[in-house]
Amino acid sequence: SQQGEEDPQALSIQEGENATMNCSYKTSINNLQWYRQNSGRGLVHLILIRSNEREKHSGRLRVTLDTSKKSSSLLITASRAADTASYFCATDLSNYQLIWGAGTKLIIKP
Amino acid sequence: GAGVSQSPRYKVAKRGQDVALRCDPISGHVSLFWYQQALGQGPEFLTYFQNEAQLDKSGLPSDRFFAERPEGSVSTLKIQRTQQEDSAVYLCASSSRGGGLAETQYFGPGTRLLVL
Repeated sequence: SQQGEEDPQALSIQEGENATMNCSYKTSINNLQWYRQNSGRGLVHLILIRSNEREKHSGRLRVTLDTSKKSSSLLITASRAADTASYFCATDLSNYQLIWGAGTKLIIKP
Repeated sequence: GAGVSQSPRYKVAKRGQDVALRCDPISGHVSLFWYQQALGQGPEFLTYFQNEAQLDKSGLPSDRFFAERPEGSVSTLKIQRTQQEDSAVYLCASSSRGGGLAETQYFGPGTRLLVL
C-alpha cells in the first residue's frame, strides 16, 4: 500500500521556470523525505523535514510541511534540464518502513 | 567508500526459476533495506536489516521471498519459483546508523527482474 500521493502525476515546464510538486499523506508522521529518481543516477535523497519543522531549504530546493493538512510541497527554483526526473515523497509508517507515493514525473524543456 | 552496488543489474528468468539478487551496501552501514518498485510506482518496502538481524520482513509478498545478511554486510534477496508478478525493479538501500528512518538512505541502482 502507498500512503503518499504526489500531485501532479506529471509536470512539464520550460527551463528556468519554477516547479512545484505536492505530496499528501494519511497518517501521522515523524519525518517526510523527498527523493529524486532518474535513469542515470537512480534514487537519490534530496531533503528530510521533521514533523516539527515547517520549511527547509537546500540549494534550489524548498520544502514545506503542513502537518494539520497532512501535506508537503517541493519547490525547485530556476529549473535545469538535469532536474528532469521523477520525484517521490516518503513518510515513516513505522520504525523501519518508509511509505512512498507514486511520484511526480517532471520534464524540463530546453 | 563507494556507493551501494547491486548485481546483476538485469535478470531474465523463466517462470518457476529461482533467482538471487545481491546487494553490497556502503561499508560500515548498519541498516539495509530492500524495496520492490513496479513500473510507474514508488518503491514498496520489503524488509529491513540492522547488521545481521532481520528486524522487519513484513513487506515480503509471500514465503517465496527470502532475504539474508549473514555477516552484517552483503545481503541477498532470493525469490523461489518466480512468477510473472514478481517482475519489477528490486532496490537495495543502506544507512549509516541503526536508528530507524530519521536519516538518509543511499540507494543502489537496482536489479531489473523480468519473469517470462
